[in-house]
Amino acid sequence: AQTVTQSQPEMSVQEAETVTLSCTYDTSESDYYLFWYKQPPSRQMILVIRQEAYKQQNATENRFSVNFQKAAKSFSLKISDSQLGDAAMYFCAYPKSSGDKLTFGTGTRLAVRP
Amino acid sequence: GAGVSQSPSNKVTEKGKDVELRCDPISGHTALYWYRQSLGQGLEFLIYFQGNSAPDKSGLPSDRFSAERTGGSVSTLTIQRTQQEDSAVYLCASSLRVGRSQPQHFGDGTRLSIL
Repeated sequence: AQTVTQSQPEMSVQEAETVTLSCTYDTSESDYYLFWYKQPPSRQMILVIRQEAYKQQNATENRFSVNFQKAAKSFSLKISDSQLGDAAMYFCAYPKSSGDKLTFGTGTRLAVRP
Repeated sequence: GAGVSQSPSNKVTEKGKDVELRCDPISGHTALYWYRQSLGQGLEFLIYFQGNSAPDKSGLPSDRFSAERTGGSVSTLTIQRTQQEDSAVYLCASSLRVGRSQPQHFGDGTRLSIL
């Protein structure tokens, strides 16, 4: 069964605008972490942001922030003031308790229009 | 090193040949992970190491796949008798230790193409 779902295969945003990428997940655990990774054409997966489930406050890293809704099992990524360098594949990931291996969503390809 | 290093960056080989993929994790990182990224299957976990031991090999797709890690550092993923379905990008990641809060740091991957 799919644990992490990204329902938007592709998104597009105008430079300097704001875009939100969606992610939902399925777990019976109460304490866990969630991650967003960015993969540019260079292939390297780059950590964007991390959220701790037991924290009420949404994580923020500069122009990147999350909207974490635990009851709804939703973990969306908001990118503000989009830049051309933000163009990439974005993956939502959930570390399973066994070995902390990451389960990834199918990804959202973000295009940034100049 | 400063980051996770993988070699080769690209590998093209004929069906039936054996290949070895190398991963050099960030210095001091005790946990090391291998993932595979392919068009049809997305990103899949293969195996992880805690030190030199591999507690979870559940993601290895067949007995043609094996991995080892020596000295708690460099890891090698070996694919024997390669098949066309093995074509993918193989990603390696390391983290300071095993733990769900620990972010995994990835290398650039090895793109494997089986002719």
